[in-house]
Amino acid sequence: NAGVTQTPKFQVLKTGQSMTLQCAQDMNHEYMSWYRQDPGMGLRLIHYSVGAGITDQGEVPNGYNVSRSTTEDFPLRLLSAAPSQTSVYFCASSRDRVTEAFFGQGTRLTVV
Amino acid sequence: GEDVEQSLFLSVREGDSSVINCTYTDSSSTYLYWYKQEPGAGLQLLTYIFSNMDMKQDQRLTVLLNKKDKHLSLRIADTQTGDSAIYFCAGVSGGYNKLIFGAGTRLAVHP
Repeated sequence: NAGVTQTPKFQVLKTGQSMTLQCAQDMNHEYMSWYRQDPGMGLRLIHYSVGAGITDQGEVPNGYNVSRSTTEDFPLRLLSAAPSQTSVYFCASSRDRVTEAFFGQGTRLTVV
Repeated sequence: GEDVEQSLFLSVREGDSSVINCTYTDSSSTYLYWYKQEPGAGLQLLTYIFSNMDMKQDQRLTVLLNKKDKHLSLRIADTQTGDSAIYFCAGVSGGYNKLIFGAGTRLAVHP
């Protein structure tokens, strides 16, 4: 069982570039989320999904898009990268809203 | 919605007990969680407590919940160097399908 897989692990972008962070889970979980982690600020929720075809905004959604066409995949798109988006991004999945969330290993993104 | 606060840093001597504290605002949080993050890794669930409980013990870990004060604590007995990590308190935001995290407490264990 791979759990939650994120790719890439590291990425450097230039300001204005776009890219997609990939997240896949093989646990048949309905709930998936994207968080960003910044020093002293913990994890902040960007977007989440409660099932295929359903997404919603979290605390800090601006500059990011998501889609959920399958149960397994939940990609995060940066439309036009900005230095303020330099962060570590984590994808998580869970069976429902109150059970254990499983996290990927993270993607460290630097925007220059 | 939920707001979760933690102190940012705790330093303890190996073999002592560690107590990490957390306060939250949403009294409707059904579950409250403690996650652990080791360097360069994602978060892993350490333990959780259901809102109708006051205490939960799991080997070296003891979770205390004071619902009146909206205060949650994690006690680690006989702290070891392998316990050095960042510990996050989290709650489910009432009415929303969101897990809200505190800023994390960095636990440093020294000999």
